[in-house]
Amino acid sequence: GNSVTQMEGPVTLSEEAFLTINCTYTATGYPSLFWYVQYPGEGLQLLLKATKADDKGSNKGFEATYRKETTSFHLEKGSVQVSDSAVYFCALDHTGRRALTFGSGTRLQVQP
Amino acid sequence: DAGVIQSPRHEVTEMGQEVTLRCKPISGHDYLFWYRQTMMRGLELLIYFNNNVPIDDSGMPEDRFSAKMPNASFSTLKIQPSEPRDSAVYFCASSFVDRPYNEQFFGPGTRLTVL
Repeated sequence: GNSVTQMEGPVTLSEEAFLTINCTYTATGYPSLFWYVQYPGEGLQLLLKATKADDKGSNKGFEATYRKETTSFHLEKGSVQVSDSAVYFCALDHTGRRALTFGSGTRLQVQP
Repeated sequence: DAGVIQSPRHEVTEMGQEVTLRCKPISGHDYLFWYRQTMMRGLELLIYFNNNVPIDDSGMPEDRFSAKMPNASFSTLKIQPSEPRDSAVYFCASSFVDRPYNEQFFGPGTRLTVL
């Protein structure tokens, strides 16, 4: 079945450091891929998405490229801020269905 | 729009009691999802509805859990009887089929503690 694997956290970085959070997936068909972010005490919110191979999603300085050959969708940011501290979830949708499958989440802590 | 609204935000109850969680989706959205989040199991889909009809309830853990959507603006998730292992954060999310991609909008969650 479909699944999403994320690197385990927490990831602790200093402000202005480069961020990579790895995400790989297993899926039948051609799913869309998503990164959601959860700030403390809040629900998840969509950060970025890519709907087909080689698409690059971007938002708020974050980027991720849909790599079909490596079944990956790694999240990157060139310079993190303290306000980026949150839990990041990689997710995919199911062809023909509206449900999403989420990874386990990666907690990011950015220190000043 | 106010976003997805969930109530209560926090619930503390004793084992064996009935618990009802409530959700109001974003107006006009035709899909509604219930998720459970725990440290051990992460974010799990419990059930989702389309136009008030349950589509997939395979994630509902057992018969103690039930969900209803009597109209387009309201859904409930009920646990009866509750057990300590049900302690988790329960999220409701909604989405709109005509969006070009599958974006779900999440509520703030209900933190349930069963003593």
